[in-house]
Amino acid sequence: DGGITQSPKYLFRKEGQNVTLSCEQNLNHDAMYWYRQDPGQGLRLIYYSQIVNDFQKGDIAEGYSVSREKKESFPLTVTSAQKNPTAFYLCASRRGPDHTEAFFGQGTRLTVV
Amino acid sequence: GQQVMQIPQYQHVQEGEDFTTYCNSSTTLSNIQWYKQRPGGHPVFLIQLVKSGEVKKQKRLTFQFGEAKKNSSLHITATQTTDVGTYFCAGHSGGGADGLTFGKGTHLIIQP
Repeated sequence: DGGITQSPKYLFRKEGQNVTLSCEQNLNHDAMYWYRQDPGQGLRLIYYSQIVNDFQKGDIAEGYSVSREKKESFPLTVTSAQKNPTAFYLCASRRGPDHTEAFFGQGTRLTVV
Repeated sequence: GQQVMQIPQYQHVQEGEDFTTYCNSSTTLSNIQWYKQRPGGHPVFLIQLVKSGEVKKQKRLTFQFGEAKKNSSLHITATQTTDVGTYFCAGHSGGGADGLTFGKGTHLIIQP
Protein backbone atom coordinates (compact mmCIF):
# COMPACT_ATOMS: atom_id res chain seq x y z
CA ASP A 1 0.00 0.00 0.00
CA GLY A 2 1.24 3.48 -0.81
CA GLY A 3 1.31 5.90 2.05
CA ILE A 4 3.18 7.94 4.56
CA THR A 5 4.54 6.36 7.72
CA GLN A 6 5.59 8.04 10.94
CA SER A 7 7.40 6.34 13.76
CA PRO A 8 7.26 5.93 16.63
CA LYS A 9 3.62 6.58 17.51
CA TYR A 10 4.49 7.57 21.08
CA LEU A 11 7.81 8.98 22.25
CA PHE A 12 9.04 10.02 25.65
CA ARG A 13 12.05 12.23 26.08
CA LYS A 14 13.95 13.59 29.02
CA GLU A 15 14.53 17.30 29.19
CA GLY A 16 17.76 18.34 27.51
CA GLN A 17 17.81 15.45 25.04
CA ASN A 18 17.50 15.65 21.29
CA VAL A 19 15.06 13.27 19.63
CA THR A 20 14.42 12.40 15.98
CA LEU A 21 11.00 11.63 14.54
CA SER A 22 10.86 9.51 11.42
CA CYS A 23 8.72 10.17 8.34
CA GLU A 24 8.82 7.98 5.24
CA GLN A 25 6.61 8.07 2.14
CA ASN A 26 6.39 5.78 -0.88
CA LEU A 27 4.01 8.00 -2.84
CA ASN A 28 6.83 9.48 -4.94
CA HIS A 29 5.84 12.92 -3.68
CA ASP A 30 8.24 15.81 -4.07
CA ALA A 31 6.97 17.95 -1.20
CA MET A 32 7.05 16.97 2.46
CA TYR A 33 6.01 18.87 5.57
CA TRP A 34 6.16 18.79 9.35
CA TYR A 35 3.35 20.24 11.42
CA ARG A 36 2.92 20.56 15.14
CA GLN A 37 -0.54 20.25 16.68
CA ASP A 38 -1.41 21.56 20.12
CA PRO A 39 -4.90 21.67 21.64
CA GLY A 40 -6.76 24.69 20.31
CA GLN A 41 -3.88 25.71 18.03
CA GLY A 42 -4.63 23.80 14.87
CA LEU A 43 -1.71 22.78 12.69
CA ARG A 44 1.38 24.94 12.66
CA LEU A 45 4.06 24.50 10.02
CA ILE A 46 7.56 23.70 11.29
CA TYR A 47 9.55 22.93 8.14
CA TYR A 48 8.84 21.92 4.58
CA SER A 49 10.81 20.59 1.66
CA GLN A 50 9.91 20.82 -2.00
CA ILE A 51 12.85 18.84 -3.32
CA VAL A 52 15.69 16.64 -2.15
CA ASN A 53 18.52 18.46 -0.37
CA ASP A 54 16.43 21.59 0.07
CA PHE A 55 14.10 22.67 2.85
CA GLN A 56 12.53 25.85 4.19
CA LYS A 57 11.56 27.10 7.63
CA GLY A 58 7.90 27.31 8.47
CA ASP A 59 6.21 29.46 11.07
CA ILE A 60 7.68 27.79 14.16
CA ALA A 61 11.08 26.38 13.14
CA GLU A 62 13.03 27.46 16.22
CA GLY A 63 14.31 24.47 18.18
CA TYR A 64 13.81 22.05 15.29
CA SER A 65 15.98 20.76 12.46
CA VAL A 66 15.33 18.61 9.41
CA SER A 67 17.15 16.91 6.54
CA ARG A 68 16.03 15.72 3.11
CA GLU A 69 18.76 13.43 1.82
CA LYS A 70 16.29 11.12 0.09
CA LYS A 71 12.99 11.83 -1.62
CA GLU A 72 11.24 9.27 0.56
CA SER A 73 12.46 10.51 3.93
CA PHE A 74 12.09 13.74 5.91
CA PRO A 75 13.17 13.23 9.54
CA LEU A 76 12.53 15.91 12.15
CA THR A 77 14.88 16.46 15.09
CA VAL A 78 13.47 18.14 18.16
CA THR A 79 16.45 19.70 19.88
CA SER A 80 16.97 20.67 23.50
CA ALA A 81 16.55 24.27 22.38
CA GLN A 82 12.82 23.71 21.86
CA LYS A 83 11.31 25.11 25.04
CA ASN A 84 7.96 23.33 24.93
CA PRO A 85 8.33 20.20 22.81
CA THR A 86 5.42 18.16 24.19
CA ALA A 87 2.95 17.99 21.28
CA PHE A 88 1.48 15.88 18.50
CA TYR A 89 3.69 15.96 15.40
CA LEU A 90 2.28 15.32 11.95
CA CYS A 91 4.21 14.66 8.78
CA ALA A 92 2.57 15.22 5.40
CA SER A 93 3.45 14.92 1.75
CA ARG A 94 2.08 16.33 -1.49
CA ARG A 95 2.78 15.51 -5.11
CA GLY A 96 3.80 19.11 -5.62
CA PRO A 97 2.91 22.64 -4.62
CA ASP A 98 -0.42 24.17 -5.61
CA HIS A 99 -3.68 22.33 -6.21
CA THR A 100 -2.69 19.04 -4.65
CA GLU A 101 -3.98 17.42 -1.51
CA ALA A 102 -1.79 16.66 1.49
CA PHE A 103 -1.50 13.11 2.79
CA PHE A 104 -0.77 12.85 6.49
CA GLY A 105 0.97 10.21 8.53
CA GLN A 106 -0.55 8.80 11.71
CA GLY A 107 1.41 11.24 13.85
CA THR A 108 3.91 10.97 16.70
CA ARG A 109 2.93 12.07 20.18
CA LEU A 110 6.02 13.40 21.94
CA THR A 111 6.04 13.83 25.69
CA VAL A 112 8.89 15.39 27.64
CA VAL A 113 9.31 13.84 31.09
CA GLY B 1 2.16 36.45 6.67
CA GLN B 2 -1.01 34.77 5.55
CA GLN B 3 -3.53 34.05 8.27
CA VAL B 4 -6.54 31.79 8.10
CA MET B 5 -9.22 32.28 10.72
CA GLN B 6 -11.80 29.62 11.37
CA ILE B 7 -14.97 29.86 13.46
CA PRO B 8 -16.46 28.61 15.63
CA GLN B 9 -13.78 26.77 17.60
CA TYR B 10 -16.31 24.36 19.09
CA GLN B 11 -19.84 23.47 18.00
CA HIS B 12 -22.24 21.26 19.91
CA VAL B 13 -25.24 20.01 17.98
CA GLN B 14 -27.97 17.46 18.48
CA GLU B 15 -27.83 14.57 16.06
CA GLY B 16 -29.88 15.49 13.02
CA GLU B 17 -29.19 19.23 13.27
CA ASP B 18 -27.18 21.11 10.67
CA PHE B 19 -23.63 22.37 11.19
CA THR B 20 -21.57 25.08 9.51
CA THR B 21 -17.95 26.16 9.91
CA TYR B 22 -16.50 29.30 8.37
CA CYS B 23 -13.02 30.10 7.18
CA ASN B 24 -11.62 33.58 6.41
CA SER B 25 -8.24 34.47 4.98
CA SER B 26 -6.36 37.74 5.34
CA THR B 27 -5.20 37.40 1.73
CA THR B 28 -6.67 36.18 -1.53
CA LEU B 29 -6.26 32.46 -1.94
CA SER B 30 -5.44 30.48 -5.07
CA ASN B 31 -7.32 27.53 -3.61
CA ILE B 32 -8.70 26.25 -0.34
CA GLN B 33 -8.81 22.72 0.99
CA TRP B 34 -10.87 21.10 3.71
CA TYR B 35 -9.73 18.27 5.98
CA LYS B 36 -11.38 16.17 8.66
CA GLN B 37 -9.57 14.79 11.69
CA ARG B 38 -11.34 12.14 13.75
CA PRO B 39 -10.55 12.02 17.49
CA GLY B 40 -7.12 10.42 17.92
CA GLY B 41 -6.55 10.38 14.17
CA HIS B 42 -4.81 12.39 11.52
CA PRO B 43 -6.25 14.93 9.04
CA VAL B 44 -7.79 13.44 5.94
CA PHE B 45 -8.41 15.43 2.79
CA LEU B 46 -12.06 16.11 1.94
CA ILE B 47 -12.09 18.51 -0.99
CA GLN B 48 -10.40 21.38 -2.79
CA LEU B 49 -12.04 24.53 -4.16
CA VAL B 50 -10.28 26.60 -6.79
CA LYS B 51 -12.76 28.82 -8.62
CA SER B 52 -14.34 32.00 -7.33
CA GLY B 53 -17.88 31.29 -6.11
CA GLU B 54 -17.41 27.54 -6.46
CA VAL B 55 -19.84 25.20 -4.70
CA LYS B 56 -19.21 21.48 -4.33
CA LYS B 57 -21.26 18.79 -2.64
CA GLN B 58 -20.35 15.46 -1.13
CA LYS B 59 -23.54 13.73 0.04
CA ARG B 60 -24.58 15.77 3.13
CA LEU B 61 -21.55 18.10 2.95
CA THR B 62 -21.63 21.36 0.98
CA PHE B 63 -18.49 23.41 0.42
CA GLN B 64 -18.42 27.00 -0.82
CA PHE B 65 -15.61 29.31 -1.93
CA GLY B 66 -16.32 33.03 -1.77
CA GLU B 67 -16.45 35.31 -4.77
CA ALA B 68 -13.36 37.18 -3.57
CA LYS B 69 -11.56 33.90 -2.83
CA LYS B 70 -10.92 34.99 0.75
CA ASN B 71 -13.54 32.96 2.56
CA SER B 72 -15.07 29.52 2.53
CA SER B 73 -17.62 27.46 4.39
CA LEU B 74 -18.48 23.85 5.06
CA HIS B 75 -22.09 22.95 5.80
CA ILE B 76 -23.24 19.55 6.99
CA THR B 77 -26.94 18.75 6.70
CA ALA B 78 -28.57 16.47 9.27
CA THR B 79 -25.47 15.55 11.24
CA GLN B 80 -24.75 11.96 12.20
CA THR B 81 -22.49 10.57 14.92
CA THR B 82 -19.96 9.65 12.25
CA ASP B 83 -19.48 13.36 11.55
CA VAL B 84 -17.75 13.88 14.90
CA GLY B 85 -14.26 15.33 14.59
CA THR B 86 -12.35 18.48 13.82
CA TYR B 87 -12.77 20.18 10.47
CA PHE B 88 -9.87 22.24 9.15
CA CYS B 89 -9.66 24.60 6.25
CA ALA B 90 -6.26 25.12 4.64
CA GLY B 91 -5.49 27.99 2.35
CA HIS B 92 -2.87 28.21 -0.33
CA SER B 93 -1.81 31.62 -1.53
CA GLY B 94 0.06 30.36 -4.59
CA GLY B 95 2.73 32.49 -6.24
CA GLY B 96 5.45 29.94 -5.63
CA ALA B 97 5.00 29.92 -1.87
CA ASP B 98 4.44 26.55 -0.29
CA GLY B 99 3.11 25.14 2.92
CA LEU B 100 -0.62 25.11 3.40
CA THR B 101 -1.79 27.51 6.11
CA PHE B 102 -4.32 25.77 8.31
CA GLY B 103 -7.08 27.32 10.33
CA LYS B 104 -7.34 26.29 13.99
CA GLY B 105 -10.22 23.98 13.18
CA THR B 106 -13.78 23.58 14.36
CA HIS B 107 -14.46 20.76 16.79
CA LEU B 108 -17.85 19.22 16.05
CA ILE B 109 -19.45 17.49 19.02
CA ILE B 110 -22.68 15.61 18.43
CA GLN B 111 -25.12 14.72 21.17
CA PRO B 112 -27.31 11.74 20.36
